Amino acid sequence: DAGITQSPRHKVTETGTPVTLRCHQTENHRYMYWYRQDPGHGLRLIHYSYGVKDTDKGEVSDGYSVSRSKTEDFLLTLESATSSQTSVYFCAISDIPSRGPQPQHFGDGTRLSIL
Amino acid sequence: AQKITQTQPGMFVQEKEAVTLDCTYDTSDQSYGLFWYKQPSSGEMIFLIYQGSYDEQNATEGRYSLNFQKARKSANLVISASQLGDSAMYFCAMREGANSGGYQKVTFGTGTKLQVIP
Repeated sequence: DAGITQSPRHKVTETGTPVTLRCHQTENHRYMYWYRQDPGHGLRLIHYSYGVKDTDKGEVSDGYSVSRSKTEDFLLTLESATSSQTSVYFCAISDIPSRGPQPQHFGDGTRLSIL
Repeated sequence: AQKITQTQPGMFVQEKEAVTLDCTYDTSDQSYGLFWYKQPSSGEMIFLIYQGSYDEQNATEGRYSLNFQKARKSANLVISASQLGDSAMYFCAMREGANSGGYQKVTFGTGTKLQVIP
């Protein structure tokens, strides 16, 4: 299994509070991604990173920010959490393509509930 | 328009039978890739199989095979000899653009819930 650790695994918080989710990888992969998973929507990309300090927005980036100060860590921050951000959040990693396919490998997810 | 369409929200299959999960896609890129992931009730996302748009042979991986029909833009997952442990959500996903070192823009379908019946 790819070495991806998400923390925390579960969190319950209140509307308006800041929340930071952490993704840590031990694979030295270049690309890291944050997705959210909601019923009826599959996985939707929030932000991604293509290197240290290099990040860009995905399709549902409003209300989220990210940072990547080290290759192994990718942080997702909800500056002021809203109930619509209640979801399961997945981190994924992928490497520079070589001779074969380079699928994204996923962490185990963080279940976030905002009351 | 949906880039990835999985029309079967849920399916049942008898243990030891084969089952096909449908996936159609929409892209104008000539180079792209198609993935299938499995998500058991425990929640993790498990990569199953990959098909590149230029691959001439259909991908196979153990009991999983991908029925790739480029002209119809379909990439159906076939699971042979279903097992109880195959009960899970299955997601089809597409990477658009050449696999040339850049960021992988991947779009996921909404998933199909497969239940294997003893």
